[in-house]
Amino acid sequence: SQTIHQWPATLVQPVGSPLSLECTVEGTSNPNLYWYRQAAGRGLQLLFYSVGIGQISSEVPQNLSASRPQDRQFILSSKKLLLSDSGFYLCAWTPWGLYEQYFGPGTRLTVT
Amino acid sequence: AQKITQTQPGMFVQEKEAVTLDCTYDTSDPSYGLFWYKQPSSGEMIFLIYQGSYDQQNATEGRYSLNFQKARKSANLVISASQLGDSAMYFCAMSPGGGRRALTFGSGTRLQVQP
Repeated sequence: SQTIHQWPATLVQPVGSPLSLECTVEGTSNPNLYWYRQAAGRGLQLLFYSVGIGQISSEVPQNLSASRPQDRQFILSSKKLLLSDSGFYLCAWTPWGLYEQYFGPGTRLTVT
Repeated sequence: AQKITQTQPGMFVQEKEAVTLDCTYDTSDPSYGLFWYKQPSSGEMIFLIYQGSYDQQNATEGRYSLNFQKARKSANLVISASQLGDSAMYFCAMSPGGGRRALTFGSGTRLQVQP
């Protein structure tokens, strides 16, 4: 079966520290992958999406970056976190032949 | 650019009754996809239903149906026979080109089902 994993589930980091969030998909190949962020009480905002290894499109210029080192792995990073980076980070993927996106369980990030 | 508008921040419905959650959209793309997601308090985003802009019939998935009115640019979600477990945030979203691309989300509607 096809599943999506994200870790960690929660994270508390000080301002200025680095960040690495990981997302992996199982049971499929060459999925479209996406990173979204949700601020408290708001809708989701697209951060990055990828249609293949090494192919990253950025929607929001900020101090975050994304990489796709393997077909089913998508990583969200930052060299120095800001207070405004706090939020709920969700990874999603689209199965081949379908249009809808399926989301991982999310990472709740608090920057202090 | 695409825009999704959900004008109902909160809705109440009695258990076993039907409820309609409103969604209007704006896009210049000739082809697009419309989606509804449910987000319970746990935070997970659950896909409910999809409608392609060229689909002739309204999409249905169990108790969920999407009332698609292309000329009015609306894509309302209808939940029939509400259950207590339907209490959650509901987000309308769209994607250009029929789908498989990044989603633009609305601000959401909080639905509370009352016994």
